[in-house]
Amino acid sequence: AQSVTQPDIHITVSEGASLELRCNYSYGATPYLFWYVQSPGQGLQLLLKYFSGDTLVQGIKGFEAEFKRSQSSFNLRKPSVHWSDAAEYFCAVGERNTDKLIFGTGTRLQVFP
Amino acid sequence: DTAVSQTPKYLVTQMGNDKSIKCEQNLGHDTMYWYKQDSKKFLKIMFSYNNKELIINETVPNRFSPKSPDKAHLNLHINSLELGDSAVYFCASSAFRADYYNEQFFGPGTRLTVL
Repeated sequence: AQSVTQPDIHITVSEGASLELRCNYSYGATPYLFWYVQSPGQGLQLLLKYFSGDTLVQGIKGFEAEFKRSQSSFNLRKPSVHWSDAAEYFCAVGERNTDKLIFGTGTRLQVFP
Repeated sequence: DTAVSQTPKYLVTQMGNDKSIKCEQNLGHDTMYWYKQDSKKFLKIMFSYNNKELIINETVPNRFSPKSPDKAHLNLHINSLELGDSAVYFCASSAFRADYYNEQFFGPGTRLTVL
């Protein structure tokens, strides 16, 4: 069955530091992969997505993610974190034929000044 | 010019009551979804409708009944509310193209609290 694992429940970084959020997926075919961000009390905003092609994808707010098929991973990175990046981050895989999104359990990012 | 809107934003009610949450999209999309986010932030799909036809029903209790009067609206009606129904409910919509993954656009969520 398809699944998404985000091993880190909570990450704390200092402002200006680099960030990497981990995501591993289990899916039988080439996956459609997404990262969403949810700020406190807000809805879900799409940061970036991977469908095919270049395995390094650029998103909004300076985020990027790299698809590594051999590791079944799609880790999210940012070179320098801003205080406004504090939020909950969700990795998701999109299921073919139904378009259903299967989400990971999320990683809460805290940013210290 | 909100793309996907939900009403109400907050809903507080007593156990046993019946309530509805409304969702509207003005993107011209064919497919709409309901997701539930529980207290641990876990997001899971509940239903999807394509052109008013039920496509996905993820073993949700039959106290939950989605209703799609037209393809721009997907409402969620919940009967006999239970404490465990307390959650944030997100509506989403997407276009539909066969053999293609259709990106979903999410509404702002409705926080339901059952007392």
